Amino acid sequence: EVQLVESGGGLVQPGGSLRLSCAASGFTVSSNYMSWVRQAPGKGLEWVSVIYSGGSTYYADSVKGRFTISRHNSKNTLYLQMNSLRAEDTAVYYCARISYYYDSSGYNDAFDIWGQGTMVTVSS
Amino acid sequence: SSELTQDPAVSVALGQTVRITCQGDSLRSYYASWYQQKPGQAPVLVIYGKNNRPSGIPDRFSGSSSGNTASLTITGAQAEDEADYYCNSRDSSGNLWVFGGGTKLTVL
Repeated sequence: EVQLVESGGGLVQPGGSLRLSCAASGFTVSSNYMSWVRQAPGKGLEWVSVIYSGGSTYYADSVKGRFTISRHNSKNTLYLQMNSLRAEDTAVYYCARISYYYDSSGYNDAFDIWGQGTMVTVSS
Repeated sequence: SSELTQDPAVSVALGQTVRITCQGDSLRSYYASWYQQKPGQAPVLVIYGKNNRPSGIPDRFSGSSSGNTASLTITGAQAEDEADYYCNSRDSSGNLWVFGGGTKLTVL
């Protein structure tokens, strides 16, 4: 079964750090584009970061320089290292697979597999 | 970075047709994908590409696009379709992604 399971969320003080993990099963993390998406309480979805199969990484402006996305190929796991956390980083964090393909209409991609999410609360 | 704009809320009578729209400059270059999210649950992909449905998504869901606007249409809305719907695409830079603000669909 294709599945993503996040872990590592919790309560952390402002300025603190936290590392989220996302264990994949049924497919290979390193062969896919993988992403983190977050959702603050009562708010919409916000894209956070992506790691391409080739290893390139990109970040939303709101987390650039503070968050780092990575993967461990042998563990088939995605990570999000979050440093210098702020109250506004409080959210449910989802990992997701981005599947891409080409057809007659050109390039297409979509977040086709999502984890159940892990809650991060930044508060003193 | 680009933005995707959605109406905050839309309602539809049971069994009727509803269209949820998403506007943004990036949609001139990339197709939108659409996600359904029910309370307390992770988002679920319902439409991607020109008009593709993942396995298990009912055929009452369809997608279309014109210029800078993408649309999700539900033909014959059911009570279980009541949810938040989000559009998504790459942004104009091509290496970042962006979600719309979401549309809360109420089925009356």
